[in-house]
Amino acid sequence: KNEVEQSPQNLTAQEGEFITINCSYSVGISALHWLQQHPGGGIVSLFMLSSGKKKHGRLIATINIQEKHSSLHITASHPRDSAVYICAVRDDKIIFGKGTRLHILP
Amino acid sequence: EAGVVQSPRYKIIEKKQPVAFWCNPISGHNTLYWYRQNLGQGPELLIRYENEEAVDDSQLPKDRFSAERLKGVDSTLKIQPAELGDSAVYLCASSYGAEANYGYTFGSGTRLTVV
Repeated sequence: KNEVEQSPQNLTAQEGEFITINCSYSVGISALHWLQQHPGGGIVSLFMLSSGKKKHGRLIATINIQEKHSSLHITASHPRDSAVYICAVRDDKIIFGKGTRLHILP
Repeated sequence: EAGVVQSPRYKIIEKKQPVAFWCNPISGHNTLYWYRQNLGQGPELLIRYENEEAVDDSQLPKDRFSAERLKGVDSTLKIQPAELGDSAVYLCASSYGAEANYGYTFGSGTRLTVV
């Protein structure tokens, strides 16, 4: 069993829809990261969370430490949000999920 | 600021040939990571440096992979000899310290194809 599980693996939605990507982990962590990877391969760090909730523009990330679960939400989704979203947790090392491939249709 | 710079961007080599990747982290970032990402998978850590010291290389296949960060700044990852299964994207990342409070910055990666 993977220590970091993301769901869904693939998600296709219409422009404007509210998007939720989930991440569950089974290890103790000191922080959780949400990363965005575009088709060219470059990875951008979106959020780093250790508790609560963070918001940046149309992106919201939440974490529940007790339930070992985090969600990434995208409001008013746009085709440019199409990317792979990766959850990564950190204790003494970083463990990455396999990513969620998001495709927003115009 | 240039960000984490990696070169080359793409590399195609025949199996059994050597290959090297270069990474220049963000200035002042003392922690440097090399990751390998296979198609459809998340990145896997190969090695982590704190300054010039490799503090975690447990996932590095040491029979063919080597890395160095001699002056604690830029780093080189080498594969010799390359195998077909080494085809992947090799990502470098850096951070200021290994503490949870600091985020990571990734380079654009080197896409290696072994034929």
